[in-house]
Amino acid sequence: DAKTTQPPSMDCAEGRAANLPCNHSTISGNEYVYWYRQIHSQGPQYIIHGLKNNETNEMASLIITEDRKSSTLILPHATLRDTAVYYCIVRRNSGGYQKVTFGTGTKLQVIP
Amino acid sequence: SQTIHQWPATLVQPVGSPLSLECTVEGTSNPNLYWYRQAAGRGLQLLFYSVGIGQISSEVPQNLSASRPQDRQFILSSKKLLLSDSGFYLCAWRDSGGGYTFGSGTRLTVV
Repeated sequence: DAKTTQPPSMDCAEGRAANLPCNHSTISGNEYVYWYRQIHSQGPQYIIHGLKNNETNEMASLIITEDRKSSTLILPHATLRDTAVYYCIVRRNSGGYQKVTFGTGTKLQVIP
Repeated sequence: SQTIHQWPATLVQPVGSPLSLECTVEGTSNPNLYWYRQAAGRGLQLLFYSVGIGQISSEVPQNLSASRPQDRQFILSSKKLLLSDSGFYLCAWRDSGGGYTFGSGTRLTVV
């Protein structure tokens, strides 16, 4: 019952920008979009999150459409170390327990 | 700073044996803690969550149980492991900003 859908896999040439899409058409007004990545056999790592404005940090940029029904994670200059599974989830930033389901994510393969 | 520790990193156990995986958090108090399982080629499945000492909620009926004996300790257990319990188990903590921090995981192989 994941609230997000992502393509199962993508390839990206090393040095190029990697654009990973995520659909979250049922997102509520108070839910944020979070992105994580999981490198093989490690715990998922937080990348970035946003509500409606575009966000940028040292790792990536997050572009959220005006209707908030989809978003794109951008890795501006992909390296081989960016090869990982990328998860997009939606959740509120406050309040008590929330059931958050991680889908199968997008497996990004950065090619030399 | 807040950190989360999980051990062991890998574990091979025979069918029918007991299991105990431990997770501890440092640098915060009264955290919301979670156990996830990731089977091969699949997403993260939420198993248990806890909002405080002694408070455990199960998301999926299964052969596992969880306990929270201390504020910053979360334990995943089984009395008798099944082959289907094999997987990658992750402990996570939800911070005040709503994000998750995950432990390094335990890869369990039941043989």
